[in-house]
Amino acid sequence: EIVMTQSPATLSVSPGERATLSCRASQSVSGNLAWYQQKPGQAPRLLIYGASTRATGIPARFSGSGSGTEFTLTISSLQSEDFAVYYCQQYNDPSSFGQGTKLEIK
Amino acid sequence: EVQLVQSGAEVKKPGESLRISCEGSGYRFTSYWINWVRQVSGKGLEWIGRIDPSDSYAHYSPSFQGRVTISTDKSSNTAYLQWNSLKASDTAIYYCARPRQSLPLHAFDVWGQGTVVTVSS
Repeated sequence: EIVMTQSPATLSVSPGERATLSCRASQSVSGNLAWYQQKPGQAPRLLIYGASTRATGIPARFSGSGSGTEFTLTISSLQSEDFAVYYCQQYNDPSSFGQGTKLEIK
Repeated sequence: EVQLVQSGAEVKKPGESLRISCEGSGYRFTSYWINWVRQVSGKGLEWIGRIDPSDSYAHYSPSFQGRVTISTDKSSNTAYLQWNSLKASDTAIYYCARPRQSLPLHAFDVWGQGTVVTVSS
């Protein structure tokens, strides 16, 4: 089973600043990596798939990069609605999630 | 509109059986796998398994193999997650999710609203 490790567990950033979240896979997942945002009481929302493709309706301030075992989600200028928990997911073999990064207001 | 609508919250005792459901609408149900994901309160997401509604082939995470059963009913566009003997550790929110492409493995762009399962004596 592929283990996904996210860092940091919690990230404190001020509105308007950039946030960088990391995700590492225990073995290569090629480009089969997705990022989700989850707010309290809601189902996860797909942000990025294929490591770098934004899902429908996702603002351009969200971007993803990486391949193989190292991936990054960058939010270029944080808005108030971006403070949430973010999960990475590999869907290469067959599927597993990271433990999440909580993005909180500094 | 593409939707997955899940059954309501359940409160059960240890050892009881349970089946929760996920009804798809707005798309061809048999063309997309249905996945199930668990989220224990305050914790992360765990992939349970998936099923191909066209032939009911199911694939489970090793962590859940033998503990749950995933099934579908094509006639009602519904997928199910079932336990034969619940444990307190099964207390969680359970989501069904559909991949964005009709492939066995892809990112999940449609999610159900979640079903809260509470197991307590």
